[in-house]
Amino acid sequence: GAGVSQSPSNKVTEKGKDVELRCDPISGHTALYWYRQSLGQGLEFLIYFQGNSAPDKSGLPSDRFSAERTGGSVSTLTIQRTQQEDSAVYLCASTEYLGEQYFGPGTRLTVT
Amino acid sequence: GDSVTQMEGPVTLSEEAFLTINCTYTATGYPSLFWYVQYPGEGLQLLLKATKADDKGSNKGFEATYRKETTSFHLEKGSVQVSDSAVYFCAQNSGYALNFGKGTSLLVTP
Repeated sequence: GAGVSQSPSNKVTEKGKDVELRCDPISGHTALYWYRQSLGQGLEFLIYFQGNSAPDKSGLPSDRFSAERTGGSVSTLTIQRTQQEDSAVYLCASTEYLGEQYFGPGTRLTVT
Repeated sequence: GDSVTQMEGPVTLSEEAFLTINCTYTATGYPSLFWYVQYPGEGLQLLLKATKADDKGSNKGFEATYRKETTSFHLEKGSVQVSDSAVYFCAQNSGYALNFGKGTSLLVTP
């Protein structure tokens, strides 16, 4: 079946602009995660959605970052007023409750 | 806090060599432990996992044993292939999210 998909695969943006990154989880998976993979920092947890519960936003690095998950499916990660340090690969994963996390291919964000 | 430390790469090996990638963890509880692999141009894939002490995870010739006494989960393979060239990440579950090491790049040459 279809895996986790993310779009766009690559995004280049100018410093100060807003960007939206999209994640389509595996159908039926109730939990969705966003991670960031950057040089020097490795893989960092950003945010977690589980069903209709309030998301765990404890990993978001600043208030410029936000995410939503509409209808318990598709999720959008928004970065406002992008900075060069936001350049990274943003990974999305989904899972059945407490199951194995399946990762998407990621979105490579470059802020110039 | 909980953390995962793995050996820094890059690791370069000849085909059929023995591989060990060290991983140690700190945790307040009893986490499950994982190895993920990222092949060039692809997303993260679960390679193997172990959920409790003394469990051995294995897949595709790779093995790792959950050692509570040494807080370790070292990845091993007896004979690597060129196709094993990838970045390997050790991870623990920290609550429901995963807490990753920084990754070890492996290059296997013919």
